[in-house]
Amino acid sequence: EDQVTQSPEALRLQEGESSSLNCSYTVSGLRGLFWYRQDPGKGPEFLFTLYSAGEEKEKERLKATLTKKESFLHITAPKPEDSATYLCAVYQLTGGGNKLTFGTGTQLKVEL
Amino acid sequence: DTEVTQTPKHLVMGMTNKKSLKCEQHMGHRAMYWYKQKAKKPPELMFVYSYEKLSINESVPSRFSPECPNSSLLNLHLHALQPEDSALYLCASSQGGINEKLFFGSGTQLSVL
Repeated sequence: EDQVTQSPEALRLQEGESSSLNCSYTVSGLRGLFWYRQDPGKGPEFLFTLYSAGEEKEKERLKATLTKKESFLHITAPKPEDSATYLCAVYQLTGGGNKLTFGTGTQLKVEL
Repeated sequence: DTEVTQTPKHLVMGMTNKKSLKCEQHMGHRAMYWYKQKAKKPPELMFVYSYEKLSINESVPSRFSPECPNSSLLNLHLHALQPEDSALYLCASSQGGINEKLFFGSGTQLSVL
């Protein structure tokens, strides 16, 4: 069965304390992996697309990496404004067409 | 314009009411989506329109009725909802194939009393 699992469920960091969020997946026909940021009561905001193992993308304090079984979102020297829920989503090709499966998210809180 | 616009932002309705949610995008995207999201859960796919035709219906109850009047607009008509339908309803669009990179709107927070 296709699964996308994110860990930890929640993470509390001090400002400047770097860390990583994990998205592990067991799917066939992977075509890509997306990272989104979601603020409370808002829609997810696109961050990155990763297509193949070894690929890396960076944006400000965020860096996303991809292996054959998982993706990491590294947050370097986070600030309180980085507090949000981070969602990964796996895009795969199945017999029924393209399928997008979201992980359950990591809720990040960055404190002063 | 890289936005997906949803209206209203908040909606409170009774179980006997009929209401509609609206979504608009002007990015030339050919696929549009409705998602439902409960608190602390990931978005759940409800419907997908591709080139203005309904392509995917994830076994959604008939009290939710989608409509795609043209390539820029997407509506979700609501009738006889239940309190458990209270959630954040998200519209999204993608440029090409179904379930490629999605651009989401800010959502409509729906409360059913």
